[in-house]
Amino acid sequence: GEEVAQTPKHLVRGEGQKAKLYCAPIKGHSYVFWYQQVLKNEFKFLISFQNENVFDETGMPKERFSAKCLPNSPCSLEIQATKLEDSAVYFCASIHRNTHGDTQYFGPGTRLTVL
Amino acid sequence: AQSVTQLDSQVPVFEEAPVELRCNYSSSVSVYLFWYVQYPNQGLQLLLKYLSGSTLVKGINGFEAEFNKSQTSFHLRKPSVHISDTAEYFCAVTPPPGDYKLSFGAGTTVTVRA
Repeated sequence: GEEVAQTPKHLVRGEGQKAKLYCAPIKGHSYVFWYQQVLKNEFKFLISFQNENVFDETGMPKERFSAKCLPNSPCSLEIQATKLEDSAVYFCASIHRNTHGDTQYFGPGTRLTVL
Repeated sequence: AQSVTQLDSQVPVFEEAPVELRCNYSSSVSVYLFWYVQYPNQGLQLLLKYLSGSTLVKGINGFEAEFNKSQTSFHLRKPSVHISDTAEYFCAVTPPPGDYKLSFGAGTTVTVRA
């Protein structure tokens, strides 16, 4: 597709429950990024993939967060045992790697509310 | 590592007035610079980007930005705003070749009043 798709739009979980978010990058884009936007403003990088390989995971909280990008499937971000502070909007972005600079195209986001 | 400072957290402006949003960055390497806009409850949309070449960059919706290497700035301007420009604006940087994460500023809320 021509847009980054994210599902679901909204997700509500009780503290301690699992949350799983999905991202379908733009067709032909080989890099996928996940960001967390807390308190409406601050964007925090979580992880990026080059195809199905982890490219940069320096922002991932190792204990409860995991992510995958498998061939022919949407990418996923999973949070085990959610905490109140995980409440945020999670954005996915993708780029088509070329030699002249890449624009990250963002999806509409998934709003996670942990109660 | 890169960091971005957006100097104004909120900018109220009247319709048809000009607006400037300030962005300064810090980096030990050269960077690509971006301005994104976020309308309420939506994702980020690219306004413009600077990769190299001319330091004055024109983007969508009448916005432009100027890269100033000596002042490490990338300020965004629009000569005449509309009510529809009310949104959150984010400055972001990433080192070439552009497949690395974006580092974002804290955002500037622009509120356009009639």
